Amino acid sequence: DAGVTQSPTHLIKTRGQHVTLRCSPISGHKSVSWYQQVLGQGPQFIFQYYEKEERGRGNFPDRFSARQFPNYSSELNVNALLLGDSALYLCASSGGYNEKLFFGSGTQLSVL
Amino acid sequence: EDQVTQSPEALRLQEGESSSLNCSYTVSGLRGLFWYRQDPGKGPEFLFTLYSAGEEKEKERLKATLTKKESFLHITAPKPEDSATYLCAVQAVDTSYGKLTFGQGTILTVHP
Repeated sequence: DAGVTQSPTHLIKTRGQHVTLRCSPISGHKSVSWYQQVLGQGPQFIFQYYEKEERGRGNFPDRFSARQFPNYSSELNVNALLLGDSALYLCASSGGYNEKLFFGSGTQLSVL
Repeated sequence: EDQVTQSPEALRLQEGESSSLNCSYTVSGLRGLFWYRQDPGKGPEFLFTLYSAGEEKEKERLKATLTKKESFLHITAPKPEDSATYLCAVQAVDTSYGKLTFGQGTILTVHP
């Protein structure tokens, strides 16, 4: 079975631009969470979606938004990019509301 | 606010030299403590979940233990393939199930 897949794997943007990152969870998983990992630090929680509804939000500005589709895939959108948004963006899925998270390999975003 | 601190930041071992990684945590109420392994350029890979003080779990050369304030990841007779960043995370009882608070990680290097 395929694991969590994310696209693209790498992305270069300039300040002020908008970016959309995509995530496909493991087949049968209904929960998707997004994390930001800055180099040298642990991942930081951004959002969780379960059954297409937002169930949790971390301390990120409103420039960050996400949604989950009927097939449980998800998008993370970031507007008005800043240099500090450069990071590895990780998507994780779980089979239920109280199950361990399986992470994808991430999207490496560089903002110039 | 939930906090996780890992020590040491980096650890260099010779093959076969056993050691321990520490994870100290502060959380309003602990639902679970998680250990993940992360290789360069990849997402975190799940290792263990611990739920209550006194609990222990083992997998190959790794053993995780939990007290009310900290967790240890013991590595017995490590091999070069154990080299990775080891991440500790907590999940609080009053947050969404997809939200983990991570420490900054311990970078483990095992020399042959």
